[in-house]
Formats: sequence, structure tokens, C-alpha cells
Amino acid sequence: AQSVTQPDIHITVSEGASLELRCNYSYGATPYLFWYVQSPGQGLQLLLKYFSGDTLVQGIKGFEAEFKRSQSSFNLRKPSVHWSDAAEYFCAVGGGAAGNKLTFGGGTRVLVKP
Amino acid sequence: GAVVSQHPSWVICKSGTSVKIECRSLDFQATTMFWYRQFPKQSLMLMATSNEGSKATYEQGVEKDKFLINHASLTLSTLTVTSAHPEDSSFYICSAQGVGNEQFFGPGTRLTVL
Repeated sequence: AQSVTQPDIHITVSEGASLELRCNYSYGATPYLFWYVQSPGQGLQLLLKYFSGDTLVQGIKGFEAEFKRSQSSFNLRKPSVHWSDAAEYFCAVGGGAAGNKLTFGGGTRVLVKP
Repeated sequence: GAVVSQHPSWVICKSGTSVKIECRSLDFQATTMFWYRQFPKQSLMLMATSNEGSKATYEQGVEKDKFLINHASLTLSTLTVTSAHPEDSSFYICSAQGVGNEQFFGPGTRLTVL
């Protein structure tokens, strides 16, 4: 069975500082990995995705993520956080055709201090 | 492109009544749509996979007679919560699978059962 773990429930970061959100997955084959962001009361917006190829993936809003097969990780990073980045972030894994039956991690809530 | 809408965005109903939530892909056709449930401050849990023209596939533990799913066209799937009770209060999010099998998420529907 596939599973996703996001070890950090909350992260507080100062505006302008760097941000890294951790994601570990368990999947029996080559995973399709995703990061989504959710603002309060809103649906999910895709930040980036990894299917194959270059293990460093660039996404929207200045985010990037690195796939490390040896560590079963897909951590999300941003060099300089803006106040608008305060939100809930979800890592997800899917199998088979890209995006089928996504399994989500528990989420990490990011708070940005001025 | 790839916009998914949900209606209503929020609904309050009395215990014992039924509520229908619509999920529409506005600018693409989706043979597969997914329904998720999200409790406050928790992650998304897949409830069922909806395929156009066939019966939905429910995840383990989801009552198919309580959560009726109809996917009558390539752009519309509906979720009906029958005989709703306060414990059904949640945030319901749908996604539609587009080209390349990527999932596009709707903005969600907040259901409150009194």
C-alpha cells in the first residue's frame, strides 16, 4: 500500500527566510509525486510534480522539490518565503498512470512571521 | 484551462435530509473524477473514484448507500449525502482527471449538518 508521511505538522518561518518541508513516501514501484498548497477554505493548487527524469523539479511560486529515491523523500524548498506563502502544504503520491488514486500526507501548516 | 468548479461552495442542512454536491470540469472532459473528504485540520481522504457511465468505486470504509455518486456526463459528477447527520459535516473536495491523467481540484464544498 502506498503512504506518505509529512513529519512536521507546523513550521514557522520568518519572511525572507528559506523554507523546507519534508515528505517521505512508501510505494512499491516508481512513484508519481506531487506537492499541493491549500489556503484556508480553498481547494488544492498544484505546486509541482515529479514523474521521471531530472530529480530536481521546479514549480510555481518559486518552489522546487528534489526526489531522492534512496531516502524515499520528496522535500519541498523555497529560498525566500513571502507572507503569502502561509498555507497548508500537502505531499501526495500516485501510482500507475500519473495522478491515479492519490494518497496524501497529513499536511504541514506554514506560518510566516513578519 | 483545466478549471474544476463545485456547487454549492457551502451548505447547511438539517439532520436527516439529503444534500447534493456538483463537480464540473469547465473546459475539459473528464472520464474519471475523484471525491475526497477533509475534516478540519486533517488531510484529504479519498472516498471514491467516479467513472463516467459506470458505477463508482468506493474506498474501504465508505458507505456507498450513504454517499451516492453519479457521473452522468464527461463534465459532471455529483455526490449526494443521504440522510445526513452531524458527523457527516466536513469539507468535500472533488478532482477531475484531465489530459495526461493529472488531477485538477475543485474549490471544495463545506457541509454543515445541524
